[in-house]
Amino acid sequence: DIQMTQSPSSLSASVGDRVTITCRASQTINNYLNWYQQKPGKAPKLLISAASSLQSGVPSRFSGSGSGTDFTLTISSLQPEDFATYYCQQTYSSLNFGPGTKVDIK
Amino acid sequence: QVQLQESGPGLVKPSQTLSLTCTVSGGSISGGRDYWSWIRQPAGKGLEWIGRIYTSGSTNYSPSLKSRVTISVDTSKNQFSLKLSSLTAADTAVYYCARVRCNTTSCYSGFDPWGQGTLVTVSS
Repeated sequence: DIQMTQSPSSLSASVGDRVTITCRASQTINNYLNWYQQKPGKAPKLLISAASSLQSGVPSRFSGSGSGTDFTLTISSLQPEDFATYYCQQTYSSLNFGPGTKVDIK
Repeated sequence: QVQLQESGPGLVKPSQTLSLTCTVSGGSISGGRDYWSWIRQPAGKGLEWIGRIYTSGSTNYSPSLKSRVTISVDTSKNQFSLKLSSLTAADTAVYYCARVRCNTTSCYSGFDPWGQGTLVTVSS
């Protein structure tokens, strides 16, 4: 089984901050890595697929990078609506998620 | 566009079997390389993938739940279903259905769209 880890597990940031979340796979997953945003009481929303492909309608301040085992989600300038929990997911083998990173207001 | 809606009982007794259905609207469940998945999320915790099915009936399950899970599809009703047996309180969660696009070995899209989720509580 491929295990996914995320760091940090939580972070506090201010509007306008640049935020970086890291996701690591226990073995190579090429670029089969997706990022989701989830707000309380809502279903997750797909932000980025294939490590770096921004989904239609997702603001360009979100970007993803990485390949192999190490991946990054970056929010270039945090907006009020970006406070949420972010999950990575590998779809190379099985379809499991990372444990999540909660982004809250400093 | 394609929309998904979960349905089923909100309360199930321990040791019983949970049955949920996901209805797909706005498109055919039999389209292309679409696979259909179940995911769950206990309150305050992370997302857990349960399994997926293709319209041929081919399934893949999470190793941790494989012994208790059955996912099936009814193309005539544009629905797919989840059965989870031998329930305990640890199975209390919001259950989501979602679409994912895959080839024979890997899935090249993320889960999109998702249903709104349905809360299932396991309690006597």
